[in-house]
Amino acid sequence: AQSVTQLDSQVPVFEEAPVELRCNYSSSVSVYLFWYVQYPNQGLQLLLKYLSGSTLVESINGFEAEFNKSQTSFHLRKPSVHISDTAEYFCAVKGYSGGYQKVTFGTGTKLQVIP
Amino acid sequence: NAGVTQTPKFRVLKTGQSMTLLCAQDMNHEYMYWYRQDPGMGLRLIHYSVGEGTTAKGEVPDGYNVSRLKKQNFLLGLESAAPSQTSVYFCASSYDATRRNEQFFGPGTRLTVL
Repeated sequence: AQSVTQLDSQVPVFEEAPVELRCNYSSSVSVYLFWYVQYPNQGLQLLLKYLSGSTLVESINGFEAEFNKSQTSFHLRKPSVHISDTAEYFCAVKGYSGGYQKVTFGTGTKLQVIP
Repeated sequence: NAGVTQTPKFRVLKTGQSMTLLCAQDMNHEYMYWYRQDPGMGLRLIHYSVGEGTTAKGEVPDGYNVSRLKKQNFLLGLESAAPSQTSVYFCASSYDATRRNEQFFGPGTRLTVL
């Protein structure tokens, strides 16, 4: 079985401050890891993903996430947030379960950027 | 490419009514999924399909049925709607069975059951 834990349901942060959104996972098989972003009244969009290779992955809008196998974590960070980053962020893991590529989503973290 | 589209965007039903949500994708993806999103619960998989003519149950399939008669379409049906089915429904698709491929999501359907 696999699971994803996002401990923080809401994270308020001032504009231009750094932020870290935490994601921990558990799985009995190797997994791929994803971060999705959901802007208000929209569907989810892929932000970044870890498949293999370098444990640090980056998105085009300044977010980065580091895969830490020993701590089973995939935390999302940004050194300086903007108002436009206000959204809900979902961590997801994908692994095989019963012959099917099972995707498990976390419960989401709402990032509120304060002007 | 339109990507993944969903119709309708909003719907209000009375308890006991039925309806069908339509999902369409133009990316030639094999896999398609239906999720529901409820506050504080993230996304929960209702049903999924690994190819045309196939369907399978996800985490929360009760009260829903699906069909995948054409590769590009995935229909979600509610035969007798209940207030507990008030939610936002998302359709998603992915290319194939390899784990490296992400899912592409539609814009969602907001359903209210009175």
